[in-house]
Amino acid sequence: DAGVIQSPRHEVTEMGQEVTLRCKPISGHDYLFWYRQTMMRGLELLIYFNNNVPIDDSGMPEDRFSAKMPNASFSTLKIQPSEPRDSAVYFCASSLALAVYNEQFFGPGTRLTVL
Amino acid sequence: DAKTTQPTSMDCAEGRAANLPCNHSTISGNEYVYWYRQIHSQGPQYIIHGLKNNETNEMASLIITEDRKSSTLILPHATLRDTAVYYCIVRVEVIQGGSEKLVFGKGTKLTVNP
Repeated sequence: DAGVIQSPRHEVTEMGQEVTLRCKPISGHDYLFWYRQTMMRGLELLIYFNNNVPIDDSGMPEDRFSAKMPNASFSTLKIQPSEPRDSAVYFCASSLALAVYNEQFFGPGTRLTVL
Repeated sequence: DAKTTQPTSMDCAEGRAANLPCNHSTISGNEYVYWYRQIHSQGPQYIIHGLKNNETNEMASLIITEDRKSSTLILPHATLRDTAVYYCIVRVEVIQGGSEKLVFGKGTKLTVNP
């Protein structure tokens, strides 16, 4: 398996533009997580899905952020409109529901820069 | 909020054992201790986890004190590739049908020196 796939790896955009980050989880994994990492706040969980259904979105910073999972193999995180303070590395992770140790497998991340 | 306390940074000589401490004095009886690490510019990677017994796998050993208020991650023969930020996390283990959130703290920046 190729692991968790994220695209793009790097994104540079201007303030006010819409940004869409994409994630393909590991096949067969029932849970998908979106994290954001900054120097100031560290690694934060934004939202996670179980079987394509959002379970907890309490970490989503504000209404400008939205996430969807239309099927088991694809998820998007959208920021509209983007702001400079959204600059961060965004990680997607997936895990098996019934794994005893519930290991989360992380993707390589998308480095977002909002100018 | 993270329920663990870790040193901000540590150094280790290549080939020597790296011992990374973690305090989790408020841990509950049904909470596990997990360790992840993050190598620069990569996503976090699972290392090991345990409840109360010591655990060992191909990557590391986890030593948990009898009162479970602290633990130590041991990398027996550290290499330069082990330079990373190591996160100690406590969370409830959900065996069926659930997945509790991982709450990452600041972690320990381990530098392995040649």
